[in-house]
Amino acid sequence: GAVVSQHPSRVICKSGTSVKIECRSLDFQATTMFWYRQFPKQSLMLMATSNEGSKATYEQGVEKDKFLINHASLTLSTLTVTSAHPEDSSFYICSANPPKADTQYFGPGTRLTVL
Amino acid sequence: QKEVEQNSGPLSVPEGAIASLNCTYSDRVSQSFFWYRQYSGKSPELIMSIYSNGDKEDGRFTAQLNKASQYVSLLIRDSQPSDSATYLCAVEGNTDKLIFGTGTRLQVFP
Repeated sequence: GAVVSQHPSRVICKSGTSVKIECRSLDFQATTMFWYRQFPKQSLMLMATSNEGSKATYEQGVEKDKFLINHASLTLSTLTVTSAHPEDSSFYICSANPPKADTQYFGPGTRLTVL
Repeated sequence: QKEVEQNSGPLSVPEGAIASLNCTYSDRVSQSFFWYRQYSGKSPELIMSIYSNGDKEDGRFTAQLNKASQYVSLLIRDSQPSDSATYLCAVEGNTDKLIFGTGTRLQVFP
């Protein structure tokens, strides 16, 4: 089955630093990947759609200058949380649609804790 | 009104019983409907997908869709303690974007 990986699985950083999260499609090419954020006891909220070779599309209320997305290849998208603050602490999950698949497959998630 | 609504639960059922999870959605143009299971601290995993009115069965799981009522449900037969998780309903419209409900926490007790 389709596999999506994320790295790191867990990161703790100091306030004001930047954190990069990688999302890889391991056995298929993905022109589009999605980035979600999930706060405790809440649902997944779509942050942005990552498009290979072009700019990401951000959802309303998501700061594009704070959450930098780069989709430089058909198997890799990165999310960089710039100048992280404690309120950015959350579970970040990426997903991708394999070819001919009817839905998204999710990566294992990255738990970010900002001190 | 939220786009996808679910009862947050917890829904507690004894082992071996049928668990019934419900979801309503607001966008009538929604075309695809999904149920995901999410264990604590993990990412969601797909359980069922359904696209047309009626029932769709896969093992112990049955998804039911009623587009006229904008309602989709998931039945879990012979519930097991390992089924204890949060179940997320997700709806997809004309784009590839998924809109998730807040999830229903299911507890299956021995």
